[in-house]
Amino acid sequence: GNSVTQMEGPVTLSEEAFLTINCTYTATGYPSLFWYVQYPGEGLQLLLKATKADDKGSNKGFEATYRKETTSFHLEKGSVQVSDSAVYFCALSTTSGTYKYIFGTGTRLKVLA
Amino acid sequence: GAGVSQSPSNKVTEKGKDVELRCDPISGHTALYWYRQRLGQGLEFLIYFQGNSAPDKSGLPSDRFSAERTGESVSTLTIQRTQQEDSAVYLCASSPRGQGLTYEQYFGPGTRLTVT
Repeated sequence: GNSVTQMEGPVTLSEEAFLTINCTYTATGYPSLFWYVQYPGEGLQLLLKATKADDKGSNKGFEATYRKETTSFHLEKGSVQVSDSAVYFCALSTTSGTYKYIFGTGTRLKVLA
Repeated sequence: GAGVSQSPSNKVTEKGKDVELRCDPISGHTALYWYRQRLGQGLEFLIYFQGNSAPDKSGLPSDRFSAERTGESVSTLTIQRTQQEDSAVYLCASSPRGQGLTYEQYFGPGTRLTVT
């Protein structure tokens, strides 16, 4: 079946460090891939998305590239800020079944000043 | 415009009581999802509504859980005979499915349920 696996947290970084949060998926067909972010005390919101192989989603300095050959969608940011502290969720949606989303378990990021 | 709203924002109930959680999706969104998020964990899919199609109930954890949606409007999630393990944040999301696979989900703020 379809699934999403992301690296366990928490991830603790110093400000201006480079961030990578790994995400790999298993899916039939050609899913769309998403990263959602949940800031402390807030609801989930879409961070970026990619809908086909080799697409790169980007937003707020974050990037992720849809790699079909490695079934991955790793999230990266070159220089994190304290305000990036949040929980990040990788997700996919697929044409198989009923279009429901599959979410990863989330990775908590803490950025220290 | 208005986003997804949920009520109540917090609910404390005694074990064994029934609770009803409400979700108002964004107007025009045909798809509606319910998720459960236990403390420190990821999102657990519960149920999915798409227009007038039969809902996908495959994520409901037991027959104590049920949900309804009238057309493309409000949805209610009901938990009967609540147990302490039901304590979690219940999230609702809606999306405009008509845009195909590129659509995103818009989440409500959630209802924090505490069963004592």
